[in-house]
Amino acid sequence: AQKVTQAQTEISVVEKEDVTLDCVYETRDTTYYLFWYKQPPSGELVFLIRRNSFDEQNEISGRYSWNFQKSTSSFNFTITASQVVDSAVYFCALSEGSGTYKYIFGTGTRLKVLA
Amino acid sequence: DSGVTQTPKHLITATGQRVTLRCSPRSGDLSVYWYQQSLDQGLQFLIQYYNGEERAKGNILERFSAQQFPDLHSELNLSSLELGDSALYFCASSASSRSYNEQFFGPGTRLTVL
Repeated sequence: AQKVTQAQTEISVVEKEDVTLDCVYETRDTTYYLFWYKQPPSGELVFLIRRNSFDEQNEISGRYSWNFQKSTSSFNFTITASQVVDSAVYFCALSEGSGTYKYIFGTGTRLKVLA
Repeated sequence: DSGVTQTPKHLITATGQRVTLRCSPRSGDLSVYWYQQSLDQGLQFLIQYYNGEERAKGNILERFSAQQFPDLHSELNLSSLELGDSALYFCASSASSRSYNEQFFGPGTRLTVL
């Protein structure tokens, strides 16, 4: 069965600290897609990144970086030099290559960046 | 701004009532998805439409139904409302029905059932 686990319910850091948000997934498919979304206090869900199961290259986008490791079924997200505007709930999601194409979301990690 | 619009933004109603939530996908997107976000259940997939046809169903109650119209906008109908239906309802759209397409989410409709 497919599942996404975000074990960290809430993380608080001080501005400029680096922070890593963990995501562990389960799937029987060999083809699947992983996503990260940000939900700021305003409520909308903002797409951050997509990664497919055949591409284990890590990705960096500004202060954001993602570490995908199939061996441990993890897709972790690191924010470098965090800022107050990074405060939000972050969701990891899984979409399988076969079947319904729905997203299975983790429970989210609330990140609080303190000034 | 994702390009996905949802109306209304807020909805307050009573138990037993029926409401309709509306979603307009991004220009050119054929797939529409509905999700429910509640405190106890998290973000749950409800249903997907692609170019007017139902493609997938998730944890959608029988009291809930949806459709996608020829102009591609979608409506989610919730009937016989219960207190537990209070939640944030998101609509998302994507270019196709393929799983690799990222979904772009609307701002959500916050439903409060009193």
